[in-house]
Amino acid sequence: QKEVEQNSGPLSVPEGAIASLNCTYSDRVSQSFFWYRQYSGKSPELIMSIYSNGDKEDGRFTAQLNKASQYVSLLIRDSQPSDSATYLCAVVTDSWGKFQFGAGTQVVVTP
Amino acid sequence: DGGITQSPKYLFRKEGQNVTLSCEQNLNHDAMYWYRQDPGQGLRLIYYSQIVNDFQKGDIAEGYSVSREKKESFPLTVTSAQKNPTAFYLCASSISPGRQGGTDTQYFGPGTRLTVL
Repeated sequence: QKEVEQNSGPLSVPEGAIASLNCTYSDRVSQSFFWYRQYSGKSPELIMSIYSNGDKEDGRFTAQLNKASQYVSLLIRDSQPSDSATYLCAVVTDSWGKFQFGAGTQVVVTP
Repeated sequence: DGGITQSPKYLFRKEGQNVTLSCEQNLNHDAMYWYRQDPGQGLRLIYYSQIVNDFQKGDIAEGYSVSREKKESFPLTVTSAQKNPTAFYLCASSISPGRQGGTDTQYFGPGTRLTVL
């Protein structure tokens, strides 16, 4: 059973719209959560981290965490073609800080 | 410039050959990691090191070996025992694993794409 689940997509989003990505995890004691963006053929780059329940905003990106429901989401406002990438959710699953990655959601922003 | 470098960018391996992938960081991070990524899949942990001269196996360590003789360097050897090594290999580092507040954030190098001929 996968510990971190994401819809693989592709998620097609019109330019200027909001992209909504979801991630669920199975380990109730997880405390640290991360979103990475990965362009095709490139390495993942950090978008943001979130540790507490609620929303965290950084520019056009908002991460939302709900530990009781065991999900973390990422909203991308005013989506641009340059946002077309695969978005990876990562959850810390044990005390030493091991990351468990989801398989990623592919986002395609159409002009 | 601070960052993580990996070399080579592309690597071709013949059957029965060992190859070594380089990973260097000048971020003064304590922890370093090696991941493998296959098409359509998430990252899987091969080995990790929390401190110099110490490292632990990850989820898929069979057929791989590492060393951590210097804080800045964490090379990965793909041995002939790894039967399906063709993949994208990613090295990462963090200030301090297991602590919240940003020091557990992992940053990635540009990756090495390994192909078996």
